[in-house]
This record gives sequence, structure tokens and C-alpha cells, in this order.
Amino acid sequence: GENVEQHPSTLSVQEGDSAVIKCTYSDSASNYFPWYKQELGKRPQLIIDIRSNVGEKKDQRIAVTLNKTAKHFSLHITETQPEDSAVYFCAARPRKVNTGFQKLVFGTGTRLLVSP
Amino acid sequence: EAQVTQNPRYLITVTGKKLTVTCSQNMNHEYMSWYRQDPGLGLRQIYYSMNVEVTDKGDVPEGYKVSRKEKRNFPLILESPSPNQTSLYFCASSSLIATRGGGGYTFGSGTRLTVV
Repeated sequence: GENVEQHPSTLSVQEGDSAVIKCTYSDSASNYFPWYKQELGKRPQLIIDIRSNVGEKKDQRIAVTLNKTAKHFSLHITETQPEDSAVYFCAARPRKVNTGFQKLVFGTGTRLLVSP
Repeated sequence: EAQVTQNPRYLITVTGKKLTVTCSQNMNHEYMSWYRQDPGLGLRQIYYSMNVEVTDKGDVPEGYKVSRKEKRNFPLILESPSPNQTSLYFCASSSLIATRGGGGYTFGSGTRLTVV
């Protein structure tokens, strides 16, 4: 089945710096790659996603890039702020017929700490 | 307000005492799923449902049951809880139709379960 690896597990940056979190996936047929932000004690919330027919997507200070050939995708946060501190999860949706094609396989998470 | 509602938020129980965690969504989503979150392991899928009366196992189904008798509700049942089921549980829902945001999950607020 699909396997998603996420790195690094923790990331500390200074306010204003950029942060990059990388994920690799194993199933070349995966077609949807969302990113979730989970603040302490709260639920994961979707912050950005990308589909397999797109190479890059931006939304203000966050962007996601996808390299289908290498089977990896990355989250980029520019001009980081203390409120960006959270755990970030990447996920991939394997494309399988009749076996719950809405399933998301998650990475193990990255704890981002932005220091003022 | 569109939301996924989980109850209870916190639960401490004893080994072997049956319990149910409820999940309800008001978005008319077809797809619902349960995940457990453990440190260093990310989010792992327990069970999912594609629609009413259609359920199937995820990656870690042992010790759990689910039912989907109504579209909005997807309870998680632990018939005989054990300490290794101590975890943070999330219910999630998604539309199967891309134009209605299909792909991304909306998560419930989580249930922290402790089995002693």
C-alpha cells in the first residue's frame, strides 16, 4: 500500500525565515496531496492541497510543489510568524478502485517552531 | 456552520468496558473515516465508510467496530477496550464529488481516550 515519509520531524526557525517540509510517497498512482496544520490541542485543518496534474500551487505565504517523477512534494512557508508554530502533516491519496479512493495516507508530522 | 462533531472530547475507561465514540457531520458528505493519532506515528486509518451501510477496514482495524446506518453518523465502537487503544481519535468526513471539495477532509475536534 501507499507509504508517506515526512522530514524533518522537528524544525526550528527564526521569525521571518522560510520553512520547508518534504514528503515522499510510494504509490505512483496517487493523485491528491493535501497539507494539514494542527495547533496544540486542536484538530488538523487543511491549509493547502495540490492535485497530480499541477506542479505548484501558492496561497499567500504558503506554497506546495509536486515532483511526480521523483514522487515527492514539499510545503514552503515564507516569512514565518510565531502563529505558524504547529504540527504539519502531509498526506497522499492513493488511486485505487473500489477500496476507498477517498483514503488519505498521512506522514508522521513535522513540529514547526517559529521563534520571535 | 459546516462541521464534524465528536463526543466525548475526553474519556477515561477501564479495560474491557465497552464504549462508543460518536461522530456526526452536517455537510451531507458521503465519505467518513476514523483515524487514531499516536506520537511518532501520525494519523492511521481505522475504518472508513463510502456511504450508508458501506464500511470497510482501514490500516489498524483490530479491536474496533463501526456502523453507518445514517449518512450523518459514524460511531466508533470499542467492544473490549485495552490499554494499547489509548490514543487521540479523529473522525473525518469528505465529499466524493470534486466540485464540492472532494478530497480534503474535515476533521472533528478529537477524542482523547485513556484505557486503564
